[in-house]
Amino acid sequence: AQKVTQAQTEISVVEKEDVTLDCVYETRDTTYYLFWYKQPPSGELVFLIRRNSFDEQNEISGRYSWNFQKSTSSFNFTITASQVVDSAVYFCALSEATSGTYKYIFGTGTRLKVLA
Amino acid sequence: DAMVIQNPRYQVTQFGKPVTLSCSQTLNHNVMYWYQQKSSQAPKLLFHYYDKDFNNEADTPDNFQSRRPNTSFCFLDIRSPGLGDAAMYLCATSFQLAGGKETQYFGPGTRLLVL
Repeated sequence: AQKVTQAQTEISVVEKEDVTLDCVYETRDTTYYLFWYKQPPSGELVFLIRRNSFDEQNEISGRYSWNFQKSTSSFNFTITASQVVDSAVYFCALSEATSGTYKYIFGTGTRLKVLA
Repeated sequence: DAMVIQNPRYQVTQFGKPVTLSCSQTLNHNVMYWYQQKSSQAPKLLFHYYDKDFNNEADTPDNFQSRRPNTSFCFLDIRSPGLGDAAMYLCATSFQLAGGKETQYFGPGTRLLVL
């Protein structure tokens, strides 16, 4: 069965610290897509990254980086030199190619608090 | 900028009084989604439209209906809101090709309060 686990419910860090948000997924599909979204207090889900199962290259975008490892079914997200504006709930999501639907399987989210 | 717009951002309604939430998009995406998100939970898909085809999730209550009069607009109707329907309602869109799994883009949400 498909599942996304974000074991960290809440993380607090001091500004400028690095922080990694974990995401572990389960799927039987060989083709699937993984996503990270940021949800600030305003409520909008902001798209951060999409990765398909055939692309295991890690990605860096400014202070954000993502580590995709199929061997451990993980798609972790690291924020370097965190800032107060990074405070939000972060969701990891999975979409399976053969599911026949466009449904995302969301994790339960990780609330990140960056303290000044 | 192309975007997903939701109105109103905050909606207060009375128990049992029908309410409609609206979503519009300038992305020209063919799929539109409605999600319900309760406090400290992940978004839960209620239904989606692929073009004009309506797809209801099996566990979406009958109290929730949707309309999509054209590509740009989609409405969520709650026929008789209960206290348990108080939540954030998120609209999303994606451009799907057959068999594809494209990224969903979300609107800012409408926070519904039921008194």
